[in-house]
Amino acid sequence: AQKITQTQPGMFVQEKEAVTLDCTYDTSDQSYGLFWYKQPSSGEMIFLIYQGSYDEQNATEGRYSLNFQKARKSANLVISASQLGDSAMYFCAMSLRENYGGATNKLIFGTGTLLAVQP
Amino acid sequence: DGGITQSPKYLFRKEGQNVTLSCEQNLNHDAMYWYRQDPGQGLRLIYYSQIVNDFQKGDIAEGYSVSREKKESFPLTVTSAQKNPTAFYLCASRWSGVQPQHFGDGTRLSIL
Repeated sequence: AQKITQTQPGMFVQEKEAVTLDCTYDTSDQSYGLFWYKQPSSGEMIFLIYQGSYDEQNATEGRYSLNFQKARKSANLVISASQLGDSAMYFCAMSLRENYGGATNKLIFGTGTLLAVQP
Repeated sequence: DGGITQSPKYLFRKEGQNVTLSCEQNLNHDAMYWYRQDPGQGLRLIYYSQIVNDFQKGDIAEGYSVSREKKESFPLTVTSAQKNPTAFYLCASRWSGVQPQHFGDGTRLSIL
């Protein structure tokens, strides 16, 4: 069964330090995508970073990087130089391809990690 | 500015009522999605649509209905058959390929 697991319900980090948010996934598909989203207390979901299953290099977007270890089925998010504005819920998600006019891109979400950045 | 607009931001429903949540996008995206989020949980897929006049059930479609008469619009109706409708509802859209889904600001639905 396809599943995303985020084992850290909550984390603290000091401002300006780096933090790693864990994500493991389970799928039998060979082609899939992994996403990280940020959800502030206001509720909107903000896309952060994407990694394709065939991408050989780890994705990076500014202060965000995705540590992709395919054999271990993990896709951890690394935030460098944490800022107070990084305090939010973070969700890992996986997209699945289906034979319906191309990629359906249905997303399966983990339960999230609440990150609190301390000054 | 291009984006996804969900309305209303807050919605209250009486027992036995149907209510409709609006989702409009001006991003020219083909695919649109509805998710439900319960407290402390991730998002679960209700319905999705790849093209106009077509849509598919997601993982928790019971008690919900949708329509996709226009590319820009994908309204969600929460029917009286949905026994536990109190939740945060998020609409998303996507261009194609490996493009990420972009989300609206959500509608918070509560039962009176």
